[in-house]
Amino acid sequence: RKEVEQDPGPFNVPEGATVAFNCTYSNSASQSFFWYRQDCRKEPKLLMSVYSSGNEDGRFTAQLNRASQYISLLIRDSKLSDSATYLCVVNMFTGNQFYFGTGTSLTVIP
Amino acid sequence: DVKVTQSSRYLVKRTGEKVFLECVQDMDHENMFWYRQDPGLGLRLIYFSYDVKMKEKGDIPEGYSVSREKKERFSLILESASTNQTSMYLCASSFRGSGGSPLHFGNGTRLTVT
Repeated sequence: RKEVEQDPGPFNVPEGATVAFNCTYSNSASQSFFWYRQDCRKEPKLLMSVYSSGNEDGRFTAQLNRASQYISLLIRDSKLSDSATYLCVVNMFTGNQFYFGTGTSLTVIP
Repeated sequence: DVKVTQSSRYLVKRTGEKVFLECVQDMDHENMFWYRQDPGLGLRLIYFSYDVKMKEKGDIPEGYSVSREKKERFSLILESASTNQTSMYLCASSFRGSGGSPLHFGNGTRLTVT
């Protein structure tokens, strides 16, 4: 079983829609959680860290559910510029081990 | 802002050549990583280093070696390039510790081996 699993999509949504991605992780010792955004042929860039109490950054909301071992990313009022691949990243206790989902592809349609 | 700089954006090398990929970070991060990313396979860890002169094998170290002589610099070496090493190579860095520090990526090197 993979350490981190994501639905690869693709998700095709109209502008202004709300879209949510989930990511499950297998190791309950996982300590830190992140969402990254990756544009085509570019490097992943940190979108936001995910905190236990949930956190929001503008139109983006991240949630952590330790009991069910998943994290989520909610994007409200989708913009064309949100089109990208969203990677879920999980960090183990040691701090040296990062596990990546394969990414969820989002296309926002005019 | 953290800056992780990879020396080349695009490289084309011939089979059998020795290839050096350089990475420099400016945030005094202890941890540095080399990944490769291929369609359908996601990011795979080649090597990482948690301190100067220290290195640990990742998931796919075969055909690669690394060097970390200074804290800010982590080099990936392809001893004898092969076509199956054609890929996007990503360097990253982070603080060491009990977690909570995200990875910061360089802008990648797209290597083609012909």
